[in-house]
Amino acid sequence: EVQLVESGGGLVQPGGALRLSCTASGFTLSDYWMHWVRQAPGKGLVWVSRITNDGTGATYADSVKGRFTISRDDAKNALYLQLNSLRVEDTATYYCTRRPSFCGSDCPTGDYWGQGTLVTVSS
Amino acid sequence: QSVLTQPPSVSGAPGQRVTISCTGSSSNFGAGFHVHWYQQLPGTAPKLLIYGNTNRPSGVPDRFSGSKSGTSASLAISGLQAEDEADYYCQSYDTSLSAYVFGTGTEVTVL
Repeated sequence: EVQLVESGGGLVQPGGALRLSCTASGFTLSDYWMHWVRQAPGKGLVWVSRITNDGTGATYADSVKGRFTISRDDAKNALYLQLNSLRVEDTATYYCTRRPSFCGSDCPTGDYWGQGTLVTVSS
Repeated sequence: QSVLTQPPSVSGAPGQRVTISCTGSSSNFGAGFHVHWYQQLPGTAPKLLIYGNTNRPSGVPDRFSGSKSGTSASLAISGLQAEDEADYYCQSYDTSLSAYVFGTGTEVTVL
C-alpha cells in the first residue's frame, strides 16, 4: 500500500526555519517525481515545489523561490522541504504528493497525497 | 491569485447532475496542457479524481466525468450523492508562470 507521511511542522516565528520530511512506503521512491503542495487554513491548494526522480530538476513557485529548498534521499525513502526566512503568509498545511507514472509528460501533481503537516508562522 | 477560475459553490439535489467549470487561458489550457481534478472531503487530503482531461483513476466511480475545450474545462457529477459533498479543484500547468496551478476551488453541496 502506497503511503506518504509528512512530519516536521510546528509553530515558528517570522524569519525562522523548519525542515519538513515526507516518508514514503509501498513504492520505489527513486522512480517518481515528487511535489509539495500547501493549503492555508480555509483556503485553496497552492503548488510549492517539484523535484525530478534523479534529484537534478527542482522547481519552485515564485512565492517561495530563494527561501525554500526541496531535496530527496531515496536510500531513506524520504523527501524534504527546507523552509527558511518564513513569513506569516507561509502558514499552511503542507502536503507531499507523488506524481503518477501512468500519464506521460503532462501529469497531475499527485495520485497519492500525505495527510499533511501544519506550519504556523506567528510571533 | 489563481490563474484557473472556478465558481465558489454549486449545489444539487440527490440524483441530479451538476457541473463545475474551470476557466483558464492561452498559457495553460490554450497551450494544450491537460486539466486534472481533485476532490477534497472535509478534513482530509485531496484525492485525484480525473487526470488527462477525461481519465478516471482506478476506483473512481463513472458518475464523475471530465472534459476540456479551448481555454475551459469542466467536471460533471451525475447521480449526485450525499458523499459527494466536498471541495473540488482543477489543476494544470502554466507556461507563463512556469508553474503548476490549481483552480480557486468549488464547494459542492447536496441539498
